[in-house]
Amino acid sequence: RKEVEQDPGPFNVPEGATVAFNCTYSNSASQSFFWYRQDCRKEPKLLMSVYSSGNEDGRFTAQLNRASQYISLLIRDSKLSDSATYLCVVNRMYSGGGADGLTFGKGTHLIIQP
Amino acid sequence: DAGITQSPRHKVTETGTPVTLRCHQTENHRYMYWYRQDPGHGLRLIHYSYGVKDTDKGEVSDGYSVSRSKTEDFLLTLESATSSQTSVYFCAISPGHGVGETQYFGPGTRLLVL
Repeated sequence: RKEVEQDPGPFNVPEGATVAFNCTYSNSASQSFFWYRQDCRKEPKLLMSVYSSGNEDGRFTAQLNRASQYISLLIRDSKLSDSATYLCVVNRMYSGGGADGLTFGKGTHLIIQP
Repeated sequence: DAGITQSPRHKVTETGTPVTLRCHQTENHRYMYWYRQDPGHGLRLIHYSYGVKDTDKGEVSDGYSVSRSKTEDFLLTLESATSSQTSVYFCAISPGHGVGETQYFGPGTRLLVL
């Protein structure tokens, strides 16, 4: 399994719809999980961290399933401005238990259509 | 706004010439990173720094060197640029205490090596 794997899309979704992405990761020792958003020709920006119990930020909900090693992002009532690439990010761990940096997925491209 | 600037923002250079990219932060964070982003590869870590004069290699460090003589500046040097180093380069900082924590990115430098 690749370290962090995402469906590249594109996901074409009508405005107002709900859309969900999943991301799988290979290192069961990973402790930190994030979703970043990247607009075309811009830098990645932190969208939200993902906590074990799941968390919500407005229209965005993130879930973590450690047993199956996947992370999900749900966007409700999608807006045209949600069109972007969404990067799944997981921290890497040394075999001794320390963090070794972040691994970025290649991203899922989302297009919200009017 | 994470207070990160990169210079230059765009550069065209010829194969074999040296190139230095600068990352500047205003927040005095300990951890700074250089990534490159290419289609089909996502973000890949080149080098990172955990303090003044303290640096380490990432997964794609060949052909690159870095220096950090001040907390606020992290320089990436391509000693002899090659066409394979054409890419978008992002600097990032981490306000936390380790390399596996949230990172914030600068606006990027687009480098074209002819």
